[in-house]
Amino acid sequence: GQQLNQSPQSMFIQEGEDVSMNCTSSSIFNTWLWYKQEPGEGPVLLIALYKAGELTSNGRLTAQFGITRKDSFLNISASIPSDVGIYFCAGPSSNTGKLIFGQGTTLQVKP
Amino acid sequence: DAGITQSPRHKVTETGTPVTLRCHQTENHRYMYWYRQDPGHGLRLIHYSYGVKDTDKGEVSDGYSVSRSKTEDFLLTLESATSSQTSVYFCAIRGPNTEAFFGQGTRLTVV
Repeated sequence: GQQLNQSPQSMFIQEGEDVSMNCTSSSIFNTWLWYKQEPGEGPVLLIALYKAGELTSNGRLTAQFGITRKDSFLNISASIPSDVGIYFCAGPSSNTGKLIFGQGTTLQVKP
Repeated sequence: DAGITQSPRHKVTETGTPVTLRCHQTENHRYMYWYRQDPGHGLRLIHYSYGVKDTDKGEVSDGYSVSRSKTEDFLLTLESATSSQTSVYFCAIRGPNTEAFFGQGTRLTVV
């Protein structure tokens, strides 16, 4: 079945640094979603992408829908301690429409 | 806030006992989902519903059943809880553009 591979699995960075993470698949996705999960909470939708090549920002977060439709990228600029959490990418299966999730990228920010 | 309430938030139960988790939404969305989240496995779909009394299995449905008698409520039942069902359970609703909005989760421990 379709799978989403996220990298890196984890990141430990200094406050103020920029962060980049990506999500790839061997299959085409028509929608890419990025979520953030903080400890003890459910995932929260950050950015949704619906068109190949689309670049969308939400504050310091910017996500891009890859041209091939097989990948997506999330960048965080000037990280702060509250950026800590697990970031998931997700997309609807072309066969079933059900959301498929990547394994997540765990971000830790050192003040 | 997507208007999703999960109850209970925490539960400890004994092996072999039945357990029911409740998800309540105030948004009148048609699609509802139950996921479990475990370290190393990300979010895995247990069951989903596409309307009242319409449900289907996800990728890890064994040992679980669901019911949806009203649009606003989606119940997940563990018929006979096992230690392998110790997990964090998330309910989600589907938005108009395939995105999912999650509840805060239920942490279930089976001893």
